[in-house]
Amino acid sequence: KAGVTQTPRYLIKTRGQQVTLSCSPISGHRSVSWYQQTPGQGLQFLFEYFSETQRNKGNFPGRFSGRQFSNSRSEMNVSTLELGDSALYLCASRTGTGNTEAFFGQGTRLTVV
Amino acid sequence: SQKIEQNSEALNIQEGKTATLTCNYTNYSPAYLQWYRQDPGRGPVFLLLIRENEKEKRKERLKVTFDTTLKQSLFHITASQPADSATYLCALGERGGSYIPTFGRGTSLIVHP
Repeated sequence: KAGVTQTPRYLIKTRGQQVTLSCSPISGHRSVSWYQQTPGQGLQFLFEYFSETQRNKGNFPGRFSGRQFSNSRSEMNVSTLELGDSALYLCASRTGTGNTEAFFGQGTRLTVV
Repeated sequence: SQKIEQNSEALNIQEGKTATLTCNYTNYSPAYLQWYRQDPGRGPVFLLLIRENEKEKRKERLKVTFDTTLKQSLFHITASQPADSATYLCALGERGGSYIPTFGRGTSLIVHP
């Protein structure tokens, strides 16, 4: 069974730009969650999508948005990038039916300069 | 306010010894607690889940205890090996809330040969 695939692995962007990250969950999993990980704040929950609908949301500004497609693949978008958005962005795949075990991708390392 | 606390200082131990990591929480009514392992530059990997009505769970060399009175979980690795060196994250899911858990910042474990 293929794992969770995130693309790209690394990105360098300039302040003010926008970025789109992609996540393909494990086949059959309908829930995709996105997290931001920084040394200072740890792993922070951004949002979760289930069956193409945002089901849960963390405390991040509206510059952070996402969507999920009918094949469960998900994208996350960050607009008007700030230096503080530099982080490892992780997506987690769950079955979505009450099983809380999360399967994480390898992450996208975003650097904003 | 709600807090999940893990030792920020790295735990250094000798190969063969038992490593014990701590996760304390404040102002949570947990339904379950999970432990994950994270290697540098990679996403976390699920290890164990323990529910609020369980005192102890074991899996091979791993043991987790959960004391809802002390508001604490202990994670033990017996007969530790250098390959166990990683950061270990605890994640807590609240009773009655979203099933998406909140993560602690993790403790780094270094096992010396």
